Parts: sequence; structure tokens; C-alpha cells
Amino acid sequence: KAGVTQTPRYLIKTRGQQVTLSCSPISGHRSVSWYQQTPGQGLQFLFEYFSETQRNKGNFPGRFSGRQFSNSRSEMNVSTLELGDSALYLCASSLDRGRSPLHFGNGTRLTVT
Amino acid sequence: DAKTTQPNSMESNEEEPVHLPCNHSTISGTDYIHWYRQLPSQGPEYVIHGLTSNVNNRMASLAIAEDRKSSTLILHRATLRDAAVYYCILKGETSGSRLTFGEGTQLTVNP
Repeated sequence: KAGVTQTPRYLIKTRGQQVTLSCSPISGHRSVSWYQQTPGQGLQFLFEYFSETQRNKGNFPGRFSGRQFSNSRSEMNVSTLELGDSALYLCASSLDRGRSPLHFGNGTRLTVT
Repeated sequence: DAKTTQPNSMESNEEEPVHLPCNHSTISGTDYIHWYRQLPSQGPEYVIHGLTSNVNNRMASLAIAEDRKSSTLILHRATLRDAAVYYCILKGETSGSRLTFGEGTQLTVNP
């Protein structure tokens, strides 16, 4: 079974630009969540989608948004990029929203210059 | 979210067992104990989870205290590939996929 796939693997953007990251979950998984990882803040939850609806949102500004499609694939968007948005963005999928574990992709490394 | 406490770092020798402790004194009755590990330049990897009873899988064993206020991840024979940051996380049935990651335990495995 293929794991969680994130594209692109690396991205370099300039301040003020916007970026879209993509995530394909494990087949059959309906929950997709996004996390930001930085050396200073560690792993922080961004948001969770299940059945195309946002179910949970972390403490991030409105510049961070996401969506989930009917095939469970998900995208997250960051508008008006700031230097502090440089981070590893991780997507995880899960069979359901209960006890099932999360399976993470290897992330998209975003650098904002 | 209920909090977990782990040592910042631990060291082991190759082919020896490793016991990684985790304290979670404020765990609620419906919280599952999950363990993940993260190798350099990779996303976190699911290791094991449990509720009350001890659990085993091909990667590790999870020993849960009777009062559930602590647990121990056991790697039976450490290899160099087990060097990673290990995270102990509580996952409630109502928290969905919102996990709260602490700083975890950096495991070093010596050859």
C-alpha cells in the first residue's frame, strides 16, 4: 500500500507570495491533517479535514487555509508568505477520527526568502 | 489536551534493549497512548498504541502501568536505525487527528 505522498518535496518562495502544497493520503483513509514543524516551535497542528469538512483548526492566522477533495486528497495554502513561514509542512492521514493512528508523509520543505 | 513528560535524551548500545519512559498523570479514561518516532529528514512514523493492556507489534512493545499514569516503549534489540526522536502522545476519541507533540526523547544508539 502506498504511503502518504506530499508534493513538492522542496519549495523556495519570496515574501508576499502565496504557495499551495498537496497531499495524497493512504488509500481508504478519510482523515487528513496538516502540521508545521520548525526548530523553535516543534510540531504544531494546523488543521484537520474529514469528508471534505474542516473538523479542527490549530492556532494559526487566517493566511493558512486548506481543503479536502472528494477523493480525500488535500491541499493547504499559505498566502502573503512571511519569513517565519519557513518550515517543514507535514501531512498525515488516518482511517478515521477516533483511535486510529496517523501516518505521516515526509513533508514539504518550504523556504521563504 | 492531557500532557506527557519524557526525558530529553537517552542513550543505548546496539543490540541491547531500550526502555523509553513516558509520564501522563492527567490521562483520561478514553485517551489512547500513542508512540511515534521521527528520523532525520523524515515525517513522524507511527510505532504503537494502546489503551490499557500491554501491546506488541513487529516494531516494539508498549507496557502500560495499571493506573495508566505512565507507559514505557520497549525496543527489544536496538539498531542504529532506531536512532530517532520518540514522541509519546495521548489521543482522545474526540480529538480527531489533532495531536499535541512535546519535545520527545532523542534516542542515540551506539555501535
